[in-house]
Amino acid sequence: QKEVEQDPGPLSVPEGAIVSLNCTYSNSAFQYFMWYRQYSRKGPELLMYTYSSGNKEDGRFTAQVDKSSKYISLFIRDSQPSDSATYLCAVTQGGSEKLVFGKGTKLTVNP
Amino acid sequence: DTGVSQDPRHKITKRGQNVTFRCDPISEHNRLYWYRQTLGQGPEFLTYFQNEAQLEKSRLLSDRFSAERPKGSFSTLEIQRTEQGDSAMYLCASTPGIMDEKLFFGSGTQLSVL
Repeated sequence: QKEVEQDPGPLSVPEGAIVSLNCTYSNSAFQYFMWYRQYSRKGPELLMYTYSSGNKEDGRFTAQVDKSSKYISLFIRDSQPSDSATYLCAVTQGGSEKLVFGKGTKLTVNP
Repeated sequence: DTGVSQDPRHKITKRGQNVTFRCDPISEHNRLYWYRQTLGQGPEFLTYFQNEAQLEKSRLLSDRFSAERPKGSFSTLEIQRTEQGDSAMYLCASTPGIMDEKLFFGSGTQLSVL
């Protein structure tokens, strides 16, 4: 079983739609949860950062972590064509432990 | 530009040749990471440095790979006797220190081995 599972999609939505992206993980020791956005031929860019369970909101983006079910989500409200990218979830235990990434979900928002 | 800088952006080489990539982290970031990303996959950890000390290496990092970070500033990743399976995007990331898990990535070096 992989440490982090993420549906690679692709996911195609109309502009203005609410987008839901999800990952599951296997190691209950993970405590830090991140979402990165990656445009084509670019490096990943940190979008959301959450410690432990709960919700975090930043503009149109909301990150949710449910440690009891080992499930993390990213919601994008009022999606825009500029949101078209690959979204990567990433988890870590923290300290000196490395960041473990999901495969990424490719999102296209159609005007 | 004060972000993570990687050079070159693209590298095409023939199988069996040696290649070297350079990464300049964000100034005063103590920790530096190398990741590899293949098409349709997330980045996979290769190795990381705390200042000049290389603290962990993935088993993905065969003996053909070597990384250095002299003086705890820039880092180089060398691949000797390249193979077609080495074709990938090599990403460098840095973070301020031990208690900060947020990684800041460069744009990567895209390696194609013919």
